[in-house]
Amino acid sequence: AQTVTQSQPEMSVQEAETVTLSCTYDTSENNYYLFWYKQPPSRQMILVIRQEAYKQQNATENRFSVNFQKAAKSFSLKISDSQLGDTAMYFCAFIVSGNTPLVFGKGTRLSVIA
Amino acid sequence: KAGVTQTPRYLIKTRGQQVTLSCSPISGHRSVSWYQQTPGQGLQFLFEYFSETQRNKGNFPGRFSGRQFSNSRSEMNVSTLELGDSALYLCASSGTRKNTEAFFGQGTRLTVV
Repeated sequence: AQTVTQSQPEMSVQEAETVTLSCTYDTSENNYYLFWYKQPPSRQMILVIRQEAYKQQNATENRFSVNFQKAAKSFSLKISDSQLGDTAMYFCAFIVSGNTPLVFGKGTRLSVIA
Repeated sequence: KAGVTQTPRYLIKTRGQQVTLSCSPISGHRSVSWYQQTPGQGLQFLFEYFSETQRNKGNFPGRFSGRQFSNSRSEMNVSTLELGDSALYLCASSGTRKNTEAFFGQGTRLTVV
């Protein structure tokens, strides 16, 4: 079975500081895509960053970057210069190439404190 | 480009009733997936439609059904509602056949009383 584990149910960070959210996954497939989604109180799930498993280079999107360790099946999200608007639930997810659905972790609730 | 639109945003229904939720994907997207989100179970996959065909189905009872129209709009139906069906129902659309990038709507909050 394919699973995603987010071991940190809640985290907090001071504004302007850096925080790292952890995610591990389990799959026997070799080709897959990994994602971090953000869900603010408005409930809309917003794609933050995406990583293709066949790419060794870690993806970055402005203040958001990932540390992808394929052998360890680890996919952490680093948020630099945290802003109040980063307060949200963050979900790690992956999809195996092909006709399969997204598999989500349970989420990490991040609070950015002024 | 308009995003994924889900209607209605909120619903309150009584046990035993049925409900229909609607999802309009991003223009040009042919894949629509539905997820149920609850505090206890997290995000669980319901089903996925691609070009009017159900391509995948999650582990939900037959009371949950869906369909997709020729314009890619999708509906989800839940019959004989139970209290445990109270949840946020999220719809996601994808422009790629392999669903390698999904965009979500704001969800429909269903409360069953």
